[in-house]
Amino acid sequence: AQSVTQLDSQVPVFEEAPVELRCNYSSSVSVYLFWYVQYPNQGLQLLLKYLSGSTLVKGINGFEAEFNKSQTSFHLRKPSVHISDTAEYFCASISGGYNKLIFGAGTRLAVHP
Amino acid sequence: EPEVTQTPSHQVTQMGQEVILRCVPISNHLYFYWYRQILGQKVEFLVSFYNNEISEKSEIFDDQFSVERPDGSNFTLKIRSTKLEDSAMYFCASSEASTSGLAYEQYFGPGTRLTVT
Repeated sequence: AQSVTQLDSQVPVFEEAPVELRCNYSSSVSVYLFWYVQYPNQGLQLLLKYLSGSTLVKGINGFEAEFNKSQTSFHLRKPSVHISDTAEYFCASISGGYNKLIFGAGTRLAVHP
Repeated sequence: EPEVTQTPSHQVTQMGQEVILRCVPISNHLYFYWYRQILGQKVEFLVSFYNNEISEKSEIFDDQFSVERPDGSNFTLKIRSTKLEDSAMYFCASSEASTSGLAYEQYFGPGTRLTVT
């Protein structure tokens, strides 16, 4: 069955430091991968997506992610975070010919001054 | 920029009552979805809707739930007899249909927080 695992429930980091939020997926068929961000008391906003092509995808707000098929991973990175990046980040996938999103449990990114 | 809207933002209801959550998807989108997020838990898929019928539903989406697109703009989720465990944030989403028929990028609304007392 399709699943998404986010390995870290919380990631504290200082402002201007780099960050990596980890995501692993499980699927035996072609998979489409997404990162969504949820700011406090708001809905889900798409950060970036991998559908096909280049394994390094760039998104909004300076985030990027790399699709690694051999490691079944899709980790999210940012070279220098800001206080405003404090939010919950969700990795999600679509696979198997269906279009429902399967979400990971989320990673709470806390950026400290 | 077009966006998905949801009303109300917060709904409080008593156990056993019916609630209707409303969504206005992006106008040229053809796929519609409901997801829910119980406080502190992951976002869970409930149902997808295409061409005026349910295309897929999860185990959560039992007979107490129904969806409808009553006109050309609204998409509703009805819970017939609410239970305490229905308390959650409910998100509506919509997406275009790709040329292959598989919709990819889903746009989410701000959510409706349902509190069942």
